[in-house]
Amino acid sequence: NAGVTQTPKFQVLKTGQSMTLQCAQDMNHNSMYWYRQDPGMGLRLIYYSASEGTTDKGEVPNGYNVSRLNKREFSLRLESAAPSQTSVYFCASSEARLAGVEQFFGPGTRLTVL
Amino acid sequence: QKEVEQDPGPLSVPEGAIVSLNCTYSNSAFQYFMWYRQYSRKGPELLMYTYSSGNKEDGRFTAQVDKSSKYISLFIRDSQPSDSATYLCAMRTLNTNAGKSTFGDGTTLTVKP
Repeated sequence: NAGVTQTPKFQVLKTGQSMTLQCAQDMNHNSMYWYRQDPGMGLRLIYYSASEGTTDKGEVPNGYNVSRLNKREFSLRLESAAPSQTSVYFCASSEARLAGVEQFFGPGTRLTVL
Repeated sequence: QKEVEQDPGPLSVPEGAIVSLNCTYSNSAFQYFMWYRQYSRKGPELLMYTYSSGNKEDGRFTAQVDKSSKYISLFIRDSQPSDSATYLCAMRTLNTNAGKSTFGDGTTLTVKP
């Protein structure tokens, strides 16, 4: 079991460029999440998905879009990157019974926007 | 005001010390209380969770919830250098779409040999 995988691990973008962060889980979980983590600010929820085909905004959705491609995959897209989006991005998943309680996190993507 | 406030730290203790990590919250609807541990440059991992009030023990770790005071704690006994990490509290209401939870900002702990 690989758990939750994220690609890429590191990325440097210029302001205005676009990119997609990929996330996949092999635990057959229904719920998936995208967070960003900035120094001293904990985890802030960007978007989440309760099941395949559904997505909802979290605390800080502006500047991002998501796609729940299937039960395994949940991608995060930055259409026009800004320096304020420099952060570490974590994807997570949960089974339905403990959704949001027992979250399994990926290793993160470290994004720098110049 | 944030829904979840966590003692900011950083905290530095000698090996073998008892560590107390704390969070307060304002949303009385929170029913699940979680503690995650995050090692440097890694994703968080769940340490333990508690439903409603009371204590829960797992080895050297004890989680306490006091809903009347809206206060939760994580105690680490006989702390080890391997406990050095950032600890995040998180909370969730009973009925939430997809299980949205709210995280504290984390407390960084260093246990010195």
